Amino acid sequence: DTGVSQDPRHKITKRGQNVTFRCDPISEHNRLYWYRQTLGQGPEFLTYFQNEAQLEKSRLLSDRFSAERPKGSFSTLEIQRTEQGDSAMYLCASSFPTGEFDEQYFGPGTRLTVT
Amino acid sequence: AQTVTQSQPEMSVQEAETVTLSCTYDTSENNYYLFWYKQPPSRQMILVIRQEAYKQQNATENRFSVNFQKAAKSFSLKISDSQLGDTAMYFCAFSDNTDKLIFGTGTRLQVFP
Repeated sequence: DTGVSQDPRHKITKRGQNVTFRCDPISEHNRLYWYRQTLGQGPEFLTYFQNEAQLEKSRLLSDRFSAERPKGSFSTLEIQRTEQGDSAMYLCASSFPTGEFDEQYFGPGTRLTVT
Repeated sequence: AQTVTQSQPEMSVQEAETVTLSCTYDTSENNYYLFWYKQPPSRQMILVIRQEAYKQQNATENRFSVNFQKAAKSFSLKISDSQLGDTAMYFCAFSDNTDKLIFGTGTRLQVFP
C-alpha cells in the first residue's frame, strides 16, 4: 500500500474557474477527511465521510464547495467560482476504525493558487 | 468550541540537545485525545505521539514524550537527543469523540548541527 494519494499536487487557476481535486485513501480505510491549510496556519477541518456517507461538514465549507465519495473509495472536492481566498493547501486523510481513536493518515496535499 | 494554542511560532535546538514545544487547549469535554503531528518541509503530515485524556500516564514514543497536565489543559512535547531529521513544523491537535482534528497554528522547529 502506497498511502494516501492526492491529485493534482499543484493547481493554478484563475479567479472564477472551477477546480476539482481527487483523493485516494489507503485501501480498506472507510473514513476519509478533507482539511484546508492556509499559509502559517494549522489544517482546518472541512468535511468527512464514512464509506460513501458525508457525516459532517464544517461551516467553512461554503456552498461553492462540494465533496463526494460515490463508491466509498476515492473522494473528490470541487470548488466552484474560485476566489483568491481559496488559495491554500487541501489535505486529505483516511482512517480505519479500531474501537479507540483511529489514526488519520495524511496525503501530500493539493496546493491551490487562485490568481 | 474547542481551541488549540501554540504560542511558539519558531524554535531552534542544537543536534543531540533536548527541546520542548508548548501547547494549550480549551474544551469542556472530559474524554478526548491530544496529538502531536510532524510536517516536514514539502512532505506529508505524520503522527508523532498521542495521548488519551483518561490516561494519567504521559505517552512516550522513543525520543518523543509528552507532559500532559489535564487540569491546566497543557500538552507539551519533549524531543530528546534532537536529530537533523526532526526539522519540521509541529502541530498540536485535539479531538473529541467526533474524530475530526482541531489543530494549533504550529511551531517551526529547526535542528542545527
